[in-house]
Amino acid sequence: DTAVSQTPKYLVTQMGNDKSIKCEQNLGHDTMYWYKQDSKKFLKIMFSYNNKELIINETVPNRFSPKSPDKAHLNLHINSLELGDSAVYFCASSRNLAGKADTQYFGPGTRLTVL
Amino acid sequence: DAKTTQPNSMESNEEEPVHLPCNHSTISGTDYIHWYRQLPSQGPEYVIHGLTSNVNNRMASLAIAEDRKSSTLILHRATLRDAAVYYCILRRGNTPLVFGKGTRLSVIA
Repeated sequence: DTAVSQTPKYLVTQMGNDKSIKCEQNLGHDTMYWYKQDSKKFLKIMFSYNNKELIINETVPNRFSPKSPDKAHLNLHINSLELGDSAVYFCASSRNLAGKADTQYFGPGTRLTVL
Repeated sequence: DAKTTQPNSMESNEEEPVHLPCNHSTISGTDYIHWYRQLPSQGPEYVIHGLTSNVNNRMASLAIAEDRKSSTLILHRATLRDAAVYYCILRRGNTPLVFGKGTRLSVIA
């Protein structure tokens, strides 16, 4: 069973469109994250949610709106897509925020290409 | 978050040990040292972490200097499947991971 899954794996779309990426974890974790890996391969945190509550928003444009319907899901909706949004987006989860050094488990990534 | 410095790339022969260094001279007393790796076209995966003592698990060993200003990830027998980018990351509590450029490890058959 896949621990952290994302759909779709690939997403090709036109500038100006709105798209969503879904993430689900079956590990029973409380905390979920979205990371972005750009063309230069730098991985950066975008959002962190704990028990469906937003904890961290790393100065991401408000065109990006994460939604957590329950603890197992953290979806990423992007409005008015721009060329610069092209990247690989990774979802991750960890047990909770209380521990000292919890492992993060990453999904396989969604490669978004904006034309 | 405290900064880490790693070589851009390293090369190893298959079946030989690999020592991946990481410098973190500004580490604080509560920072854990984490290592993750990212195989081609995959998400990052956890390798190992430690605080002060050396650590071993089924994937690797982590040797931490006595002053904690550096650490070394040791792969005891590199295989072709170990070719990846290895990231050394300092974490204070359960903060999100702050990735640097990492070390790209190439394994030669």
